[in-house]
Amino acid sequence: AQSVTQLDSHVSVSEGTPVLLRCNYSSSYSPSLFWYVQHPNKGLQLLLKYTSAATLVKGINGFEAEFKKSETSFHLTKPSAHMSDAAEYFCVVSASYFSGGYNKLIFGAGTRLAVHP
Amino acid sequence: ETGVTQTPRHLVMGMTNKKSLKCEQHLGHNAMYWYKQSAKKPLELMFVYNFKEQTENNSVPSRFSPECPNSSHLFLHLHTLQPEDSALYLCASSLQREGHEQYFGPGTRLTVT
Repeated sequence: AQSVTQLDSHVSVSEGTPVLLRCNYSSSYSPSLFWYVQHPNKGLQLLLKYTSAATLVKGINGFEAEFKKSETSFHLTKPSAHMSDAAEYFCVVSASYFSGGYNKLIFGAGTRLAVHP
Repeated sequence: ETGVTQTPRHLVMGMTNKKSLKCEQHLGHNAMYWYKQSAKKPLELMFVYNFKEQTENNSVPSRFSPECPNSSHLFLHLHTLQPEDSALYLCASSLQREGHEQYFGPGTRLTVT
């Protein structure tokens, strides 16, 4: 069975400093992995996606994530935080539920990122 | 209009009311989903429709009744709700392809009084 663990429920950084949001996954096969962002009172927006191509995935707004199979990790990084990055971030793994005719996603509990001036 | 839209964005209803949430996707997808997002809880998958057929119902109480008349529209009919049903209800859509991402609407913030 697939699962995903976000190692920090809250992360606080200063504007202009690097961001690291940690995610570990468990999967019995080569998974698809995603990061989504949710700003207050908004829906979830796809930041980036890994599907067994390049292990370093670039997303929107300067974010990127690296798939490390040996560490079963998919951490999200950004070199320099901006105030507008303050939001909740979800690490997501795709379950092997396609036999049911749909693509089930397993969501982490989320990491709330605060950015201070 | 592009992406996934949801109406209304905010809804306040009494426990005896009947209301409906609407979702529409303009992405040509063939699977649609309802999720419930409550404070301090993980995102909960409620229903899945695949080519208009319901393929998953995650033990959702019968006071929530989904409807999918075609692959672009999804409804969630609500009746005799409880205060604990207050939450953000998110609609999503995707292609029927393993590993494909889901695209989410902005959600309906529901308050049950």
